[in-house]
Amino acid sequence: DADVTQTPRNRITKTGKRIMLECSQTKGHDRMYWYRQDPGLGLRLIYYSFDVKDINKGEISDGYSVSRQAQAKFSLSLESAIPNQTALYFCATSDRGQGPGTQYFGPGTRLLVL
Amino acid sequence: GQSLEQPSEVTAVEGAIVQINCTYQTSGFYGLSWYQQHDGGAPTFLSYNALDGLEETGRFSSFLSRSDSYGYLLLQELQMKDSASYFCAVSSGGYNKLIFGAGTRLAVHP
Repeated sequence: DADVTQTPRNRITKTGKRIMLECSQTKGHDRMYWYRQDPGLGLRLIYYSFDVKDINKGEISDGYSVSRQAQAKFSLSLESAIPNQTALYFCATSDRGQGPGTQYFGPGTRLLVL
Repeated sequence: GQSLEQPSEVTAVEGAIVQINCTYQTSGFYGLSWYQQHDGGAPTFLSYNALDGLEETGRFSSFLSRSDSYGYLLLQELQMKDSASYFCAVSSGGYNKLIFGAGTRLAVHP
């Protein structure tokens, strides 16, 4: 079984709809992240969480919100989806003991907003 | 602000050696990471350099010069399966928060 899972893997939605992307991990890591990737671009950090009580905004948090329901679960919500949020979304985890820079990514969720 | 620069594309032949450079501008630098991403796949961790010098892991090596704000990924004995995008990323402004470059697309030809 995959250590970091994301659901759904693909999603098509309409402008104005609220959607949630979910991430679960079995690695026992305390740190979790949400990124988006646009064609030809690197990954941009949306939100990150260092433990259940710690949520931080990343580079591009506008239009997004997150919830850290448990150490193993980190959800990303688009309150009112818009077409320029069409992208590939990745969840990632890291462990404080492993040192900075080492993150483990889920398989991604491909989101299309019409 | 923070920025990373790496070439957008590199082409090489099987068996060759290729070097992908990365220069960065950032504050509070902790280290430089490299990730590989195949088309349709997730990024996977390759290496991390916190100190100056060369780190070797099999056919891949990564180098860092903190004084030059520069690093590179060296891929030896290239194989077709190495065709992928390679991203450098800096740990900056907070432990375990990464800023990614735009990526270098490596095409390996027979």
